Amino acid sequence: EAGVTQSPTHLIKTRGQQATLRCSPISGHTSVYWYQQALGLGLQFLLWYDEGEERNRGNFPPRFSGRQFPNYSSELNVNALELEDSALYLCASSLGEGQSTDTQYFGPGTRLTVL
Amino acid sequence: KQEVTQIPAALSVPEGENLVLNCSFTDSAIYNLQWFRQDPGKGLTSLLLIQSSQREQTSGRLNASLDKSSGRSTLYIAASQPGDSATYLCAPWSSSYKLIFGSGTRLLVRP
Repeated sequence: EAGVTQSPTHLIKTRGQQATLRCSPISGHTSVYWYQQALGLGLQFLLWYDEGEERNRGNFPPRFSGRQFPNYSSELNVNALELEDSALYLCASSLGEGQSTDTQYFGPGTRLTVL
Repeated sequence: KQEVTQIPAALSVPEGENLVLNCSFTDSAIYNLQWFRQDPGKGLTSLLLIQSSQREQTSGRLNASLDKSSGRSTLYIAASQPGDSATYLCAPWSSSYKLIFGSGTRLLVRP
């Protein structure tokens, strides 16, 4: 069974540009989560999508946005890039059933570098 | 607001030692708690999940315990090996449906 996949692996942008990151969940999973891991800041929750809707977002500005498609894959968009957006962006998926047995499975990440 | 602390921040041990990693969290209203490992520059690998109603979970040489009322979890690694070298992260899953991560314990197992 294929795990969570993310593309691209690496992305280099300049300040002010826009970045688009993609995530495909495990088959059968309806929930997708995005996390940011910036150097020295640890893993921070960004966004949660379930059944095509944004269910929760972390403490990030509105220029971080995304969507979930009918096939449950997801896209994270970062507008007006700033140097401090340089980070590893991790996507996770789960069954989204809200049960205590629900587990989040993580993809390999996209490393975004803003110059 | 959930806050997660992991102690120690770093640990270096010789191969074969048994070791304990500690995790504490401030909000006991959790669905479950997951332990992950992260290799440098890589994504996360789920190691163990303990449901909020459970006290303990085991997988191979790993054993995780949960004391929800006191806001503590421990990860016990038996007979450590160099391949265990990684950063270990604990993450309670709160009712706001997101994982809150600790800053991790960086483990080095020396051959």
